[in-house]
Amino acid sequence: AQSVTQLGSHVSVSEGALVLLRCNYSSSVPPYLFWYVQYPNQGLQLLLKYTSAATLVKGINGFEAEFKKSETSFHLTKPSAHMSDAAEYFCAVSEFNDYKLSFGAGTTVTVRA
Amino acid sequence: GAGVSQTPSNKVTEKGKYVELRCDPISGHTALYWYRQSLGQGPEFLIYFQGTGAADDSGLPNDRFFAVRPEGSVSTLKIQRTERGDSAVYLCASSSQGAAGNTIYFGEGSWLTVV
Repeated sequence: AQSVTQLGSHVSVSEGALVLLRCNYSSSVPPYLFWYVQYPNQGLQLLLKYTSAATLVKGINGFEAEFKKSETSFHLTKPSAHMSDAAEYFCAVSEFNDYKLSFGAGTTVTVRA
Repeated sequence: GAGVSQTPSNKVTEKGKYVELRCDPISGHTALYWYRQSLGQGPEFLIYFQGTGAADDSGLPNDRFFAVRPEGSVSTLKIQRTERGDSAVYLCASSSQGAAGNTIYFGEGSWLTVV
């Protein structure tokens, strides 16, 4: 079964600083990978997904993630944090032939002015 | 609306009571999913519908949980004899088809508190 590990349950960054959220997965076959964001009292919103095309994936709100097979990682980055980026971020994975998503535990991002 | 709609948004119930949670997926989406999110954790898969049938209910924790989708659109998650451990956010999601890699769209969830 797939599993996802998000390193760091909380990340605090200054406004304008780099945001880096780490995600590692366990799989013998490259899966599909997703990053979702959850703002307070809202549902999960897809930021970006990797489906075996380009390894560098660009998403909404200036976020991007790079699939690294050798490291089984799919870290999420944003060059310059904005106050509106404060939210909880979830990495998720599905097998290449499966519809179910397996989620990490999430990382809460706070942005300091 | 254009998104996945869930009702109620909040539900407080007494231990032992029966609860129903409703989900209205995005129009035209044949695949529907239920996930459960406990405090401090990521969502966990419960059940998947393709059309009217439950194609995969492997995530349902026990036989107190049941879900239906009689006409292939709206779905209801039913919980019998609720326990305090059932307290969580129940998320419904849909996608255009149940294929790997498809974007899954989530509703805002139904917060269930069992007292």
